[in-house]
Amino acid sequence: AQSVTQPDIHITVSEGASLELRCNYSYGATPYLFWYVQSPGQGLQLLLKYFSGDTLVQGIKGFEAEFKRSQSSFNLRKPSVHWSDAAEYFCAVGAWQAGTALIFGKGTTLSVSS
Amino acid sequence: DVKVTQSSRYLVKRTGEKVFLECVQDMDHENMFWYRQDPGLGLRLIYFSYDVKMKEKGDIPEGYSVSREKKERFSLILESASTNQTSMYLCASRKDSLNTEAFFGQGTRLTVV
Repeated sequence: AQSVTQPDIHITVSEGASLELRCNYSYGATPYLFWYVQSPGQGLQLLLKYFSGDTLVQGIKGFEAEFKRSQSSFNLRKPSVHWSDAAEYFCAVGAWQAGTALIFGKGTTLSVSS
Repeated sequence: DVKVTQSSRYLVKRTGEKVFLECVQDMDHENMFWYRQDPGLGLRLIYFSYDVKMKEKGDIPEGYSVSREKKERFSLILESASTNQTSMYLCASRKDSLNTEAFFGQGTRLTVV
């Protein structure tokens, strides 16, 4: 069965500092991987996705993520955090079969200090 | 622009009421999903539908049912609302192909009193 682990429940980063949010997945084959962001009271917005090919993927808002098969990880990074990045971040995994649902991690809340 | 619309942002219902949460998408997507979001638990799949009139149970279907009579509309039904169903409910849709993401609605914050 697929599963996603986000080890950090809450992270605080200073504005302008770099950010890395961790995501580990469990899946028997090459998965589809996603990062979503949720601002308070809002739905989820896609930041980036990985399907195949280059293991370093670029997303919106200056985010990137790297797929590491050997570590079953898909960590999200940003070189310089802005106060507007404060939100909840979800990693998700999907199967290669059509008609299946995405499975989400429990989320990491990012706070940005000035 | 793609759009998933949930009929209500906030709902307050009484224990024992039958509650309908409606979701409409305008992208002609085959797959639609209902998730429940609770603090510390992330998003948990309640039900999903891969075609009209077709449905599959997710991880937490107890106390819920769904209806998909038309491709664009997916309804979540709480047959008899209970206080432990107070939560944020998120609807999503996804095209039925291998390399697509899910698009989410704004969510419905349901409070059962």
